[in-house]
Amino acid sequence: EDKVVQSPLSLVVHEGDTVTLNCSYEVTNFRSLLWYKQEKKAPTFLFMLTSSGIEKKSGRLSSILDKKELFSILNITATQTGDSAIYLCAGASGSNYQLIWGAGTKLIIKP
Amino acid sequence: NAGVMQNPRHLVRRRGQEARLRCSPMKGHSHVYWYRQLPEEGLKFMVYLQKENIIDESGMPKERFSAEFPKEGPSILRIQQVVRGDSAAYFCASSPGQGALNEQFFGPGTRLTVL
Repeated sequence: EDKVVQSPLSLVVHEGDTVTLNCSYEVTNFRSLLWYKQEKKAPTFLFMLTSSGIEKKSGRLSSILDKKELFSILNITATQTGDSAIYLCAGASGSNYQLIWGAGTKLIIKP
Repeated sequence: NAGVMQNPRHLVRRRGQEARLRCSPMKGHSHVYWYRQLPEEGLKFMVYLQKENIIDESGMPKERFSAEFPKEGPSILRIQQVVRGDSAAYFCASSPGQGALNEQFFGPGTRLTVL
């Protein structure tokens, strides 16, 4: 059965710290892995990763995929209170269009 | 370009009533996905629709739940005879193409509470 597992489930750090969020996956006919940020409302898209070893970057956020070890990490440097959210990762299968979602990592940034 | 729109944002129903959730995709998007999110859980796929077609409803309970995406108008997720276990956030997402390599844009969700 396809599954996506995120760790840790929750994380509390102080502003300015760097955090690494983990996502491991087992997805049939894997095509891509997606990261989303969910605050109080809808998930918003962060990254889509399809190739192994190529880092994607957006400001203080970056992410990389390892297709051999079947995981991805999301890094956030110099964290700010506005980074507090649930971070979701999802695996996309080539055999269908369903995204298989992890349970999320709840990140709390303390001032 | 307005994003994905969902209404109502909050819906309260008593057990046995019907709930209708609406989703208008982004302009130019013809693919709609519905997800359910229970407290402390990730999103669970329910159904994938294109205009006038249900492509995959494998994630949707076979009873009481139905979905449509008519040629004109929003996509509707309908839950008949709601029970307390239906209380959840229901998110709709849309994409311009088929799922995997087009990121899905999410609406703000409808929070359904069943009393």
